[in-house]
Amino acid sequence: EAQVTQNPRYLITVTGKKLTVTCSQNMNHEYMSWYRQDPGLGLRQIYYSMNVEVTDKGDVPEGYKVSRKEKRNFPLILESPSPNQTSLYFCASSLGGNYNEQFFGPGTRLTVL
Amino acid sequence: DQQVKQNSPSLSVQEGRISILNCDYTNSMFDYFLWYKKYPAEGPTFLISISSIKDKNEDGRFTVFLNKSAKHLSLHIVPSQPGDSAVYFCAASGGYSGAGSYQLTFGKGTKLSVIP
Repeated sequence: EAQVTQNPRYLITVTGKKLTVTCSQNMNHEYMSWYRQDPGLGLRQIYYSMNVEVTDKGDVPEGYKVSRKEKRNFPLILESPSPNQTSLYFCASSLGGNYNEQFFGPGTRLTVL
Repeated sequence: DQQVKQNSPSLSVQEGRISILNCDYTNSMFDYFLWYKKYPAEGPTFLISISSIKDKNEDGRFTVFLNKSAKHLSLHIVPSQPGDSAVYFCAASGGYSGAGSYQLTFGKGTKLSVIP
């Protein structure tokens, strides 16, 4: 089954404790992206990757890191999480190129205390 | 500055009637528009899209209309069903940067409730 998977689905952590949210897709997609969803703000892009070893900032990259060492994986790293990073996070992937839809993972709900 | 706007946070419609969800955009470089549907505890799922060379695209009960001069698009659902109750996001992409055709800019969403 074609899908985007994220782990963990739920995470409660404390300020300053480094964490990684994994994202993997099995569709051989070139493009991957991370979003956060907050009440009243919709979906905002954090980082994206157009291919292996090619990443760039989205609209809200502060406090996050990403890497793309393999085509299928695109982990999101929070080196020193803070309470304002409490949010619902979505990973997405697409074939790339013009006029294509993005496929989303199920989401990771992160709470930083 | 919000480039994609969904001005109605919520909408309630009777089952069997038409649901109309609206979206406005400000960036004239946007040339591809998508609607996503999101249920609680799930990721958004693609619903329907339209390219700027068209003014209408239809898929079953779902039709998207694009008015480029007004920078406005709308999603029509006919007839509405209780299973359509979800949050609907409008999104746009364009060639304003090297990655412009890949990146999606989302609106804040409209919560649709279809009442049986």
